[in-house]
Amino acid sequence: LAKTTQPISMDSYEGQEVNITCSHNNIATNDYITWYQQFPSQGPRFIIQGYKTKVTNEVASLFIPADRKSSTLSLPRVSLSDTAVYYCLAFPSGNTPLVFGKGTRLSVIA
Amino acid sequence: SAVISQKPSRDICQRGTSLTIQCQVDSQVTMMFWYRQQPGQSLTLIATANQGSEATYESGFVIDKFPISRPNLTFSTLTVSNMSPEDSSIYLCSAQGERSTDTQYFGPGTRLTVL
Repeated sequence: LAKTTQPISMDSYEGQEVNITCSHNNIATNDYITWYQQFPSQGPRFIIQGYKTKVTNEVASLFIPADRKSSTLSLPRVSLSDTAVYYCLAFPSGNTPLVFGKGTRLSVIA
Repeated sequence: SAVISQKPSRDICQRGTSLTIQCQVDSQVTMMFWYRQQPGQSLTLIATANQGSEATYESGFVIDKFPISRPNLTFSTLTVSNMSPEDSSIYLCSAQGERSTDTQYFGPGTRLTVL
């Protein structure tokens, strides 16, 4: 399984765009890059998933360069409610359980 | 997306007792998993709950301590046996749909405190 590395923590002011970068140097050909968000006392919540280039949904954008060795989760105009831990995972296709790293603790400040 | 519920949401138990946690999915799913998350830590996979066969446990977790059932495609249970304070944690189940690229969805977790 591909190991992912991301910053332990980040701070941001409300209204700013936040970019969280994740490195996954040994990503496999059939791995998808998936991001989860977890609030205190809740289970992780799926945010976005991609294989290459750019994916955008109502919550975030995910940028993946051609070599796929890293990815960037972009959260536009964060609010206080975006304070959470964000996990980057390389998700292998084929019904394999997710392996979570330490995640990035994002603190949004008013 | 799949909606997952867990019972109980929290419990306080005495040392030496056992607790069974239930996980219910609102649709049939191929895979179900159980995780543990200790305070301030990331999630650790306990086991894969296999329908119709014995669960597959990760290193450090054994069936005698964490027996798991998966009687059908929408339901699973995890039992924490002979509990000690070190078992105090949040236990989460997750489920993945039928396709290999389907997202995994998580339940809200069960917060267990062992006195």
